[in-house]
Amino acid sequence: QKEVEQDPGPLSVPEGAIVSLNCTYSNSAFQYFMWYRQYSRKGPELLMYTYSSGNKEDGRFTAQVDKSSKYISLFIRDSQPSDSATYLCAMTLGGSYIPTFGRGTSLIVHP
Amino acid sequence: DGGITQSPKYLFRKEGQNVTLSCEQNLNHDAMYWYRQDPGQGLRLIYYSQIVNDFQKGDIAEGYSVSREKKESFPLTVTSAQKNPTAFYLCASSIEGLGGSGYTFGSGTRLTVV
Repeated sequence: QKEVEQDPGPLSVPEGAIVSLNCTYSNSAFQYFMWYRQYSRKGPELLMYTYSSGNKEDGRFTAQVDKSSKYISLFIRDSQPSDSATYLCAMTLGGSYIPTFGRGTSLIVHP
Repeated sequence: DGGITQSPKYLFRKEGQNVTLSCEQNLNHDAMYWYRQDPGQGLRLIYYSQIVNDFQKGDIAEGYSVSREKKESFPLTVTSAQKNPTAFYLCASSIEGLGGSGYTFGSGTRLTVV
């Protein structure tokens, strides 16, 4: 079992839909949780960063962490074709700066 | 603008050749990293460096070498010992000690063996 599990998709949704992207993990010691967005043939860019459980909102994006279930989510409201990309979750142990990445979920938002 | 520059964007290697991928950052970050990305496998850590003149092996260091002579530069050499080098290579940097939140990635180099 991999430490971080992420469904590779692809996930295809119509423009305007609410998108839910998820990761599960097995190591309860993870404390920092991140979401990266990667466009085709580009490097990932950091979207959201959260510490421990709870929600964090930034515009159309909401990151949610449920440590009791070892489950994190990224919600995208009013999805746009420009949101079409691969979304990678990542998490680190406290005191470490080397994240463990999920495999990424490919999202396609069609007009 | 601050950022990470990787070059070249595309690189072709013949069997038995060593090639070097360039990574330069002007973010004044202490730590730099090299990742390999293959379809369906996510990001795998090759090498990382927390400080000049020091670096550590990641999960898949065999067949690769690095140097860190300057804070701004962290070149990766793919040697002939790397049996399956065709992949997308990503360089990243971070402010040490921020739990991975400060990762900035370059745009990547796509290496193909011909």
